Amino acid sequence: QKEVEQNSGPLSVPEGAIASLNCTYSDRVSQSFFWYRQYSGKSPELIMSIYSNGDKEDGRFTAQLNKASQYVSLLIRDSQPSDSATYLCAVLLSSGGSYIPTFGRGTSLIVHP
Amino acid sequence: DAGVIQSPRHEVTEMGQEVTLRCKPISGHDYLFWYRQTMMRGLELLIYFNNNVPIDDSGMPEDRFSAKMPNASFSTLKIQPSEPRDSAVYFCASSFGQGNGYTFGSGTRLTVV
Repeated sequence: QKEVEQNSGPLSVPEGAIASLNCTYSDRVSQSFFWYRQYSGKSPELIMSIYSNGDKEDGRFTAQLNKASQYVSLLIRDSQPSDSATYLCAVLLSSGGSYIPTFGRGTSLIVHP
Repeated sequence: DAGVIQSPRHEVTEMGQEVTLRCKPISGHDYLFWYRQTMMRGLELLIYFNNNVPIDDSGMPEDRFSAKMPNASFSTLKIQPSEPRDSAVYFCASSFGQGNGYTFGSGTRLTVV
C-alpha cells in the first residue's frame, strides 16, 4: 500500500519557537512534494513545494527533502499563534503509469502565546 | 482570478436522493481533482482529470459516484443514491501541470440524513 504518513499530533510549541513537522512516504520514485496548511473549517492552502534533495526556504518556512530516506519535513521559524493549523504533506505517488497526488492525514500544530 | 469555485457550500439531503456538486477550476489550469475529507479517513482523492479527460477514478468509492468534465471550465460530481456515510466535505482543486501545487475550492459540506 503506497501511502504518506504523518504524526497526527497535536504538536504544541511556544510562540517564537521552531516547529518541526515530519512526513514519510512509501514510493521511491516520487518527484513532487508539497506542504499545505489547513485552518479549521477552511480548505487546504499550498505553502511550500520541493522537488530536489536539500532545503528550500521561503520566509519563515523551510522544507527539507531526503529522497534516500523517503522523508520530507517542514520547519516553521519564529512560530506565531496564527500558525496554529493542520499541516498536510502531499506527495505524487506513482500508480500504474500515472501519478496520484496523495495526502497524509495531517499534523495539528498549536502555537501558544 | 476568483480561484476555484464550488457550489453549493452546504448541502443537506435525505438518504436516497441524488446530489450534484459543481466546480469551476481556475482558467488555464489543465488538471482538476475531486477530494473527499472526513475525520476518519482524511483527504482522499476520488478522481482527477487532465484536459477534461478522466485519468484515474480508482478512488471513487462505488458506482453510486460519478464525475464529469464536459469542458475546461466546469466539472460535476454526482452521488446517486446518496447514503449517510457519504457525509463529508468535498473539495475540488485545480492545477497547471501535475507537478505543481493545487488550488483548492472552498469545499461543499454534504450531510446526508
